[in-house]
Amino acid sequence: QVQLVQSGAEVKKPGASVKVSCRASGYTFSSYYMYWVRQAPGQGLEWMGRINPRDGSTNTAQNFQGRVTMTRDTSTTTLYMELSSLRSEDTAVYYCARYFSASGALDYWGQGTLVTVSS
Amino acid sequence: DIQMTQSPSSLSASVGGSVTITCRASQSIRSYLNWYQQKPGKAPKLLIYAASILQSGVPSRFNGSGFGTDFTLTISSLHAEDFAAYYCQQSHTTPLFTFGPGTKVEIK
Repeated sequence: QVQLVQSGAEVKKPGASVKVSCRASGYTFSSYYMYWVRQAPGQGLEWMGRINPRDGSTNTAQNFQGRVTMTRDTSTTTLYMELSSLRSEDTAVYYCARYFSASGALDYWGQGTLVTVSS
Repeated sequence: DIQMTQSPSSLSASVGGSVTITCRASQSIRSYLNWYQQKPGKAPKLLIYAASILQSGVPSRFNGSGFGTDFTLTISSLHAEDFAAYYCQQSHTTPLFTFGPGTKVEIK
């Protein structure tokens, strides 16, 4: 079965970077784009970007351009999302989610990773 | 950019009752509209894609409709496990996704 398992919670200081991982299993890794979505406490969902695991190409939301780096490791079927220059407003749960092109939707989600930015 | 709105932002309903949530896009997105359910502390779960197609395993009491700019999600015969937040999301401008602000369905 499809599983997306994310890394554990992080606490970071303002100005630092955080790298969240998402280990995928149960399907052909290179065949599905992976999206990153975040949710601030008590808030809605915000698209951050996506990566094509086949070739590593990425698309980043305008709000995050210059601060987000998405990569993948095909040998371990793991995706990574690194967010730099953290500020308090980046405190949120970060999700990876698989994009199923036939539906145009995100059909499987990781469990989420809480990133807390605090001095 | 396409903006998504939802109404109401929250509502109360009884077990066994029904609710309708509205999602509106700032411009036509044809049928590129998806619905997700999110329970507290959990990841969102895909319910409906392409405006009206039920994701595998989702109960038939969930129904989606609409085209263009106006969409609805109806939940009939509410079960206790249906009390959650619901988000619409447009995929017309893939890869750029936009989510609605969400609707919280609470128990009356």
